[in-house]
Amino acid sequence: EDKVVQSPLSLVVHEGDTVTLNCSYEVTNFRSLLWYKQEKKAPTFLFMLTSSGIEKKSGRLSSILDKKELFSILNITATQTGDSAVYLCAVIAGGTSYGKLTFGQGTILTVHP
Amino acid sequence: GAVVSQHPSWVICKSGTSVKIECRSLDFQATTMFWYRQFPKQSLMLMATSNEGSKATYEQGVEKDKFLINHASLTLSTLTVTSAHPEDSSFYICSARAGGGMGNQPQHFGDGTRLSIL
Repeated sequence: EDKVVQSPLSLVVHEGDTVTLNCSYEVTNFRSLLWYKQEKKAPTFLFMLTSSGIEKKSGRLSSILDKKELFSILNITATQTGDSAVYLCAVIAGGTSYGKLTFGQGTILTVHP
Repeated sequence: GAVVSQHPSWVICKSGTSVKIECRSLDFQATTMFWYRQFPKQSLMLMATSNEGSKATYEQGVEKDKFLINHASLTLSTLTVTSAHPEDSSFYICSARAGGGMGNQPQHFGDGTRLSIL
């Protein structure tokens, strides 16, 4: 069975801190790993990673994938209160063409002023 | 781009009622749509995968007669919760994915529907 595990499950920091969120996976026939941010409603797409070692960056957020060690990290620098959210990692795997996502449990990030 | 609209955002209804939730891709054609359920403080649980013009594929443990899915066009999928009971109360979220191929494109999510059955 495909498995995606995120750590830590929750994290509390102060504005300006840098955080690193972790995602490890055990899946059959890996295709891609995705990061989403979920606030009060549904998840919003952040990054999609397919190749090892290539950093993807968007403002203060960046992410990288290691396909040998089967994990990814999401970095957020100079955190702001607006970064408070649940960060979800998900993997597309398997032989189906439907692109089904398997989600991790999520990391709850709280940024205090 | 890649906007997914879900309607309604909140439903409160009596036990025994059937409830229909719509999911639309507004600026792209979605060959595949997905329906998830999310319990408080938990991650998303996939209920079913829906491809335009064909029957939905349900995950293990999801009753297909209870959760009817229709994906009649490339921009619209509907989930009908039939004869809803209080245990069906949850946050239901749809997502849509463009294109065919090997399915290696991101899913984009609607804003979710909070369903409360009294």
